[in-house]
Amino acid sequence: QVQLQQSGPGLVKPSQTLSLTCVISGDSVSSNSATWNWIRQSPSRGLEWLGRTYYRSKWDTEYAVSVNSRIVVNPDTTRNQFSLQLKSVTPEDTAVYYCARATVKKGYGLDVWGQGTTVIVSS
Amino acid sequence: ENVLTQSPGSLSLSPGERAALSCRTNQSTSIAYFAWYQQKPGQPPRLLIYGTSTRATGVPDRFRGSGSGKDFTLTISRLEPEDFAVYYCQPHAGAAFGQGTKVEIK
Repeated sequence: QVQLQQSGPGLVKPSQTLSLTCVISGDSVSSNSATWNWIRQSPSRGLEWLGRTYYRSKWDTEYAVSVNSRIVVNPDTTRNQFSLQLKSVTPEDTAVYYCARATVKKGYGLDVWGQGTTVIVSS
Repeated sequence: ENVLTQSPGSLSLSPGERAALSCRTNQSTSIAYFAWYQQKPGQPPRLLIYGTSTRATGVPDRFRGSGSGKDFTLTISRLEPEDFAVYYCQPHAGAAFGQGTKVEIK
């Protein structure tokens, strides 16, 4: 059974960097048949896909245009986890952040989700 | 950018009734990756349908996905109390989501 466990601070000051980690159990971040995603949700923006990392003979990442200049998603093979860094945050980045797996076995649907982390951007 | 429009924004129905949720895209979309999600308060979204019409593990057969091109539909044949939730569409995992349809108890 695949599970994703998120961790990270719930409060970040404006202009600082939001950092979250998602630990994978039951699968591998290096899997050739999965992608590892970050999504956020807020009342104003709804569900918003942010970015993903995946391994297909080499590591690759893709990011949403809306956050492309501020986001980094990194895999960590030694700890079997992946992370999100969102730089220069503003109150508009206040949201519930989720990590999620997409697998080729489910048509790359997001079939396993983390529990969600509420992040508030405030001084 | 693929823009999705879900309609209606909300649906007020009674248990046992049929629900039909629409998702329209501004670009022709591959049926191989089109997905629907269900979300209940305080929970992450749950994958309901992938590949346009394949039910995810444990999803009852009263849920049916269909569509092609720019028009996709999620149909719930007979609403059960646990089906009242918000439903989102997504053309593939790295794309924007629709804004959601809330299915409420009448």
